Amino acid sequence: DTGVSQDPRHKITKRGQNVTFRCDPISEHNRLYWYRQTLGQGPEFLTYFQNEAQLEKSRLLSDRFSAERPKGSFSTLEIQRTEQGDSAMYLCASSLAGGPTDTQYFGPGTRLTVL
Amino acid sequence: GNSVTQMEGPVTLSEEAFLTINCTYTATGYPSLFWYVQYPGEGLQLLLKATKADDKGSNKGFEATYRKETTSFHLEKGSVQVSDSAVYFCALSLQGAQKLVFGQGTRLTINP
Repeated sequence: DTGVSQDPRHKITKRGQNVTFRCDPISEHNRLYWYRQTLGQGPEFLTYFQNEAQLEKSRLLSDRFSAERPKGSFSTLEIQRTEQGDSAMYLCASSLAGGPTDTQYFGPGTRLTVL
Repeated sequence: GNSVTQMEGPVTLSEEAFLTINCTYTATGYPSLFWYVQYPGEGLQLLLKATKADDKGSNKGFEATYRKETTSFHLEKGSVQVSDSAVYFCALSLQGAQKLVFGQGTRLTINP
């Protein structure tokens, strides 16, 4: 396994359209995270899953955002009715639960541009 | 709340110079601390970490020591190379709260 993968790498859409991103974690990892990174800033936490259960959601995750991890493997992040302010890099990370701190491994990200 | 503050960038150095990137944190508990690096066109990579006070994380010639008394985790390297040019992020995570809290990043450019 070569790491966390994300698809697509780039997405350009018009305001008001829906978009969906996919993340495939490292195969044995049971935790999966979504972050958003805007230009010149550090990543901000959006949500995370342990297996198929979504255990925490940030206040940043408005009702237009939904994330799923139906079988505890890959995850999707959907943004409905996109706005220009949604333009950002969306990062996925995965980790293996255990110990006091789980090291998170990041994918290359999906860059979203909303016109 | 929990937060991380990094020194303002960008930082430009000559090859073989000594590097320090400052990082301080505010946390309600006892965090684990991380440095991640983002090379041009690539994803975030874990550079090093420390999970308790006085621990030193090290990797690729970089070091950082977890200082509880000064709530700091400064990144250092004795002799930088052009290939170290990247954006460096300091981050923390609290035990039981799985999310990472990142600083704003510091862009480092090394000139030959």
